[in-house]
Amino acid sequence: AQSVTQPDIHITVSEGASLELRCNYSYGATPYLFWYVQSPGQGLQLLLKYFSGDTLVQGIKGFEAEFKRSQSSFNLRKPSVHWSDAAEYFCAVGDISGTYKYIFGTGTRLKVLA
Amino acid sequence: DTEVTQTPKHLVMGMTNKKSLKCEQHMGHRAMYWYKQKAKKPPELMFVYSYEKLSINESVPSRFSPECPNSSLLNLHLHALQPEDSALYLCASSLRGGTVNTEAFFGQGTRLTVV
Repeated sequence: AQSVTQPDIHITVSEGASLELRCNYSYGATPYLFWYVQSPGQGLQLLLKYFSGDTLVQGIKGFEAEFKRSQSSFNLRKPSVHWSDAAEYFCAVGDISGTYKYIFGTGTRLKVLA
Repeated sequence: DTEVTQTPKHLVMGMTNKKSLKCEQHMGHRAMYWYKQKAKKPPELMFVYSYEKLSINESVPSRFSPECPNSSLLNLHLHALQPEDSALYLCASSLRGGTVNTEAFFGQGTRLTVV
């Protein structure tokens, strides 16, 4: 089965600083990739997705992600973080190995310093 | 309407109770999911319904019983739960069944506490 790894459990940045959250996937062909954000006690909101085409994907709330096949990565970026971006971020992959389900990484908790 | 609505938002139940969680979407989606999420953990898939048929059961204990009465509605029936079943239960839907080349939309979840 496919898998996704988020190496950073916690990240702390100052408000206004840039942000990069890492995500690595395991799959030979081009996977279906997603980034979701979850505020405490809430559901998951889709930030952006990548299926094919342009490897730089724009999402909501000023986020973007870049698909790099050579590095099996799909890192999430934001040029200037706002205090309201503090949340849990999950990278996910669509598993097409026969089960057709979404597999989530372990998440990265973002803390934003004022 | 791009919402997945879950009710109730919070539920406290005893170990001998029977309760149900409800999930509704009106986006015309044909795949619906139940996930369980413990604190500080990613969502764990429980069940997938594809075109109103159960397509994935991730070896979930029988005290959890899913039901998909129609393409818009998904229920999770709970019976004789254990305290370790306390978690956030998330419902999601996606446009087509049998594929993941489309995003999943999540509800706000039901916070379940088993006492």
